Amino acid sequence: GESVGLHLPTLSVQEGDNSIINCAYSNSASDYFIWYKQESGKGPQFIIDIRSNMDKRQGQRVTVLLNKTVKHLSLQIAATQPGDSAVYFCAEKGAGNMLTFGGGTRLMVKP
Amino acid sequence: GAGVSQSPSNKVTEKGKDVELRCDPISGHTALYWYRQSLGQGLEFLIYFQGNSAPDKSGLPSDRFSAERTGGSVSTLTIQRTQQEDSAVYLCASSYLAGGIDEQYFGPGTRLTVT
Repeated sequence: GESVGLHLPTLSVQEGDNSIINCAYSNSASDYFIWYKQESGKGPQFIIDIRSNMDKRQGQRVTVLLNKTVKHLSLQIAATQPGDSAVYFCAEKGAGNMLTFGGGTRLMVKP
Repeated sequence: GAGVSQSPSNKVTEKGKDVELRCDPISGHTALYWYRQSLGQGLEFLIYFQGNSAPDKSGLPSDRFSAERTGGSVSTLTIQRTQQEDSAVYLCASSYLAGGIDEQYFGPGTRLTVT
């Protein structure tokens, strides 16, 4: 079946460095993608989204890149801070309104 | 303003008992979702309510699971005859669909432990 998955389960970076979290998706019909951040004991928090007619979208310190050719999504965090430590999920939306989530990547920021 | 709230935050129940989990969505949000998150795993879609339309129940894992949404606002997820594999965090999200964009706001979740 269709699925969304992540390449790396854990990413450890030094404070101040840039972080890149990757996600592969298999449903070529998906037209909307979202990155969520989930801190321990909390629900997922929306970070940034991108439509399938875009390749790149920037927010505050975050950038999402979409490569439809290889069905790849990435989240770039600039100048990573200790507060960025969390689990990051990508999600895709195809037909209907249901989101399909990837398995999550844990980002650990070393001071 | 207030976000999505869920209650209880933690629930421990014995195998075979029924449980009810509550979700209060953000006021004015027309869509409401229930997800399940097992330990260290991603989110698994369970059910989706949109306005007065029939709910999308395609994610419910068995007929022991049911949900209702009263008055287009509060929702209750009911699990009957709980099993140990039902242990997970149950997350609720709501959104206001506009222009096809659907930013879902999540509640803190209810951690269910079935002993």
